[in-house]
Amino acid sequence: QKEVEQDPGPLSVPEGAIVSLNCTYSNSAFQYFMWYRQYSRKGPELLMYTYSSGNKEDGRFTAQVDKSSKYISLFIRDSQPSDSATYLCAMSYDYKLSFGAGTTVTVRA
Amino acid sequence: DAEITQSPRHKITETGRQVTLACHQTWNHNNMFWYRQDLGHGLRLIHYSYGVHDTNKGEVSDGYSVSRSNTEDLPLTLESAASSQTSVYFCASGAGTAEAFFGQGTRLTVV
Repeated sequence: QKEVEQDPGPLSVPEGAIVSLNCTYSNSAFQYFMWYRQYSRKGPELLMYTYSSGNKEDGRFTAQVDKSSKYISLFIRDSQPSDSATYLCAMSYDYKLSFGAGTTVTVRA
Repeated sequence: DAEITQSPRHKITETGRQVTLACHQTWNHNNMFWYRQDLGHGLRLIHYSYGVHDTNKGEVSDGYSVSRSNTEDLPLTLESAASSQTSVYFCASGAGTAEAFFGQGTRLTVV
């Protein structure tokens, strides 16, 4: 079993829809939780970064962490075609990141 | 602006050859990492370093080595390239928090 599980999709939504992404994990030692966005043939870029359980909002993006269930989510409101990318969840302890496989999202205009 | 750069961006090599991929960061970050990205596997950690002269094995370290002689650079060496090492390689660095910032990647093909 992988430490971090993420449904690879792909996920296709119409412009303006809410995109919902999630990951589960098995290692209780993970302390930090992140979402990265990766455009085709580019490096991953950090989108959201949280430490504790609860919600964190940044513009159209909301990250949720539930440590008791070992479950994290990312919601994208009012999705735009420019949001089309692969979204990777990542979790960290001792500064090392463990990644999910990534979910490919397409937002249709 | 501070950045992290990888070179080359694309490389084709033959089986059995030694290959070195360069990674250079100007953020003065202590932590540096090498990952490989393959379809269906996501990003997997190869080697990492917490500072000069410190190196550690990651999840998929067999056949790879790194050295850290200064803060800015962490070159990744494939001792004897194999077809299974065809992949996209990403270098990342971090300041000692959980965040890591990635380079643009090196696409390596072993023929």
